[in-house]
Amino acid sequence: GAGVSQSPSNKVTEKGKDVELRCDPISGHTALYWYRQSLGQGLEFLIYFQGNSAPDKSGLPSDRFSAERTGGSVSTLTIQRTQQEDSAVYLCASSVRSGTGGHEQYFGPGTRLTVT
Amino acid sequence: AQSVAQPEDQVNVAEGNPLTVKCTYSVSGNPYLFWYVQYPNRGLQFLLKYITGDNLVKGSYGFEAEFNKSQTSFHLKKPSALVSDSALYFCAVRAPYSGAGSYQLTFGKGTKLSVIP
Repeated sequence: GAGVSQSPSNKVTEKGKDVELRCDPISGHTALYWYRQSLGQGLEFLIYFQGNSAPDKSGLPSDRFSAERTGGSVSTLTIQRTQQEDSAVYLCASSVRSGTGGHEQYFGPGTRLTVT
Repeated sequence: AQSVAQPEDQVNVAEGNPLTVKCTYSVSGNPYLFWYVQYPNRGLQFLLKYITGDNLVKGSYGFEAEFNKSQTSFHLKKPSALVSDSALYFCAVRAPYSGAGSYQLTFGKGTKLSVIP
C-alpha cells in the first residue's frame, strides 16, 4: 500500500519568509509525528497528533513553529519568519496508534528545507 | 528522560563478514526499542523492534538484534554483510505505555555502516 508522503521534497526559501510543509500519513494510522533531522542535532521530535486529542507540542523549538492536522489525516507544519538555523530535513511519521502495542512508526521521505 | 547512545560514528566491515552496530539506552521502565536504516536522500526504514519476549529479535534484510536488560543494550547484528547494507543506522527508544504521553521516539546520533567489497 501507499506509504507516508511529504511535499515538497525540497524547499529553498529566503530568511524571514513563511513555509508550509505537508504530510499525508498512511491511511488508517491515527498517530502522526513530525521530526527534524539536522547535522548538528540529529533527529529531534517536534510534535505529535493522536486522533482528536490535543497535540503534544513539547518538541517545537520556538513559537515560529506550528502544525495542524485536518480531519485526522493530512498534517501541515508551518514555520514563520524562517531563520537559517531552521535549515534541516523535516520528517513525518505515522503509526497505527501510540501507547499500547509498541507499534512502529513509518517515515516519509522528508522535506529538505534550505533557508538562504 | 530517555536517551540512546550509539558509540561508533562509523563501522567498516568486509563483505561477507559479520557486522555489529552498537546501541545502549536509558529509559524508565521496560523499553520499547527500534532500529531504523536510512539510505542517502531517503527517509527512515523500519528494520526491527523489541517490545517484550525473546531477547533475540529478527527483522528485515537478515538483520537481528539482541536485547540485554542488564547491560541496557540493543546491538544490531547480521551474520554476513552485503555491500548493499551500507547506510546510516539509527537506534531508537520509546517509553513504555503509561496511559498518557505521546510516545515519541528518541534516536541515537546514528552509525554509518560501510561494507567494503
